[in-house]
Amino acid sequence: GNSVTQMEGPVTLSEEAFLTINCTYTATGYPSLFWYVQYPGEGLQLLLKATKADDKGSNKGFEATYRKETTSFHLEKGSVQVSDSAVYFCALRGGSEKLVFGKGMKLTVNP
Amino acid sequence: NAGVTQTPKFRILKIGQSMTLQCTQDMNHNYMYWYRQDPGMGLKLIYYSVGAGITDKGEVPNGYNVSRSTTEDFPLRLELAAPSQTSVYFCASSQTGPLHTDTQYFGPGTRLTVL
Repeated sequence: GNSVTQMEGPVTLSEEAFLTINCTYTATGYPSLFWYVQYPGEGLQLLLKATKADDKGSNKGFEATYRKETTSFHLEKGSVQVSDSAVYFCALRGGSEKLVFGKGMKLTVNP
Repeated sequence: NAGVTQTPKFRILKIGQSMTLQCTQDMNHNYMYWYRQDPGMGLKLIYYSVGAGITDKGEVPNGYNVSRSTTEDFPLRLELAAPSQTSVYFCASSQTGPLHTDTQYFGPGTRLTVL
């Protein structure tokens, strides 16, 4: 079945540091890929998505590129802020499968 | 616009007790979902609904029941609480079905502890 493997944290960075959160997937066919973010005390919300190979999703300074050759969808941000402190989830949906989530990674950004 | 709301935020149950987790959305979405998130794990789908009167099992439905009498509400029922049901429960909704790349909107979660 479909599955998602993502970097596990927790991770602590200083403000303005570069962020990469790795995500790889296993799926049949051509899944759609997502990054969700959960800020403290809130529900998950969609950060960005990509629906086909080589698509780049972007939002709030974050980017992720759908790489079919490496089955990856790594999340990057060039300069993190304290307000980016949250838990980040990689997820996929493929064919008739439901939305499948990775375990989530907690990021803390210190000033 | 409230989006997806869940009540209660926190609850402690004794083994064998029952309770209902409430979920309401005001976006007129046809699909609704219940997930659980165990510590250090991703979200797992418990049940979902494609519209009023229609529900289906997800990955981990045992020990739970759902109903969908209206578009807005999708309560999750635990009949005989067990320690294995200690988790954080998230409700979500979306406009179209799981075959589409639509966005799921999540509630803030209910943290349930069974002792």
